[in-house]
Amino acid sequence: AQSVTQLGSHVSVSEGALVLLRCNYSSSVPPYLFWYVQYPNQGLQLLLKYTSAATLVKGINGFEAEFKKSETSFHLTKPSAHMSDAAEYFCAVSLYTGGFKTIFGAGTRLFVKA
Amino acid sequence: DVKVTQSSRYLVKRTGEKVFLECVQDMDHENMFWYRQDPGLGLRLIYFSYDVKMKEKGDIPEGYSVSREKKERFSLILESASTNQTSMYLCASSLSSIGGNTIYFGEGSWLTVV
Repeated sequence: AQSVTQLGSHVSVSEGALVLLRCNYSSSVPPYLFWYVQYPNQGLQLLLKYTSAATLVKGINGFEAEFKKSETSFHLTKPSAHMSDAAEYFCAVSLYTGGFKTIFGAGTRLFVKA
Repeated sequence: DVKVTQSSRYLVKRTGEKVFLECVQDMDHENMFWYRQDPGLGLRLIYFSYDVKMKEKGDIPEGYSVSREKKERFSLILESASTNQTSMYLCASSLSSIGGNTIYFGEGSWLTVV
């Protein structure tokens, strides 16, 4: 079955530290991959997406993610965390199964300590 | 910018009531979705629609129905609300069924069934 796994439901970092949120997917064909962010009391918004162009994808707010086919991973990073990055982050994969379907991971809540 | 508007942010309904959640998008998108979001479970697809008057069941359609009479409007209906339907409901839209399309979300509707 196709799926998305986010390692760690909660991640805590200090302000200024590296942010690393992990995402692995299972797919027999190259997928489209996304990271979405959800700030408190809001809907999700797109951070970045991979659509088979460059494997290193840059998104908004200084985030980036690297598609590694050999590891079936699409981890999200940011060199220096800011307090405003505190939110929930969702990895998602879009797969063709007779039509394109998007599957979301369970989410990782990022806490940023002052 | 794409705007997906959910008419009610917070609702409290009684068990057995019929509940309507309304959603409108302003970008002429073909696809519209209703998701349910619960802690630790991520986003689960209830129903989606790829055209006016068309609907497809998602992963958890039981207890829900939908209506899409106009392209811009997609309604979620709880025929007889139950306490286990207390949740955050997210409406979303995307341009088409081509892979790699971004999904745009509304701000969510918090439903409490008492």
